[in-house]
Amino acid sequence: SQTIHQWPATLVQPVGSPLSLECTVEGTSNPNLYWYRQAAGRGLQLLFYSVGIGQISSEVPQNLSASRPQDRQFILSSKKLLLSDSGFYLCAWSVSGGNQPQHFGDGTRLSIL
Amino acid sequence: AQSVTQLGSHVSVSEGALVLLRCNYSSSVPPYLFWYVQYPNQGLQLLLKYTTGATLVKGINGFEAEFKKSETSFHLTKPSAHMSDAAEYFCAVSEGSYIPTFGRGTSLIVHP
Repeated sequence: SQTIHQWPATLVQPVGSPLSLECTVEGTSNPNLYWYRQAAGRGLQLLFYSVGIGQISSEVPQNLSASRPQDRQFILSSKKLLLSDSGFYLCAWSVSGGNQPQHFGDGTRLSIL
Repeated sequence: AQSVTQLGSHVSVSEGALVLLRCNYSSSVPPYLFWYVQYPNQGLQLLLKYTTGATLVKGINGFEAEFKKSETSFHLTKPSAHMSDAAEYFCAVSEGSYIPTFGRGTSLIVHP
């Protein structure tokens, strides 16, 4: 069966520090991968998605970036965190096709001090 | 363009009462529709989905939803609420691309 792993579960970082969140998927090949940010009462904001290795589409600019160095690995990064980067970050995967549901990791709670 | 509206950011019910969470969508083509549930500090979990065929869709945990094209709705229901149903619920729509649009979520509160 397919599984998705996201780490760390919680993270506290000072303003201006770098960030690296990692997500890996097991049990499937060539998944579509997604990074979302969730703020209270505001639903899910799509940050990045990828349909293959090295293929990244950005939905929001600013100081976040994503990379997909391997088929089932998706990394969210920042060189300098802002206070506004605080939130709950979710990674998800899906099989290609709009009728396919997304499968989510357990998320990373990021707090910026 | 696809969009989804969830009416009511919070819904409160008594244990044993009917649960009704509302979702209306906008789509220029026949949509794919999803309901997800999120428990505190966890990711989203698929409850049910509508793609084609039968308009009444049954999901996990006793939930079901009915696709009504004329009303552009996909409301989620459960005949009898349980305390364990307390969570955040998200409706999502996809027009055929692989990127769905999510609603803002509805928090379900269940009173004993």
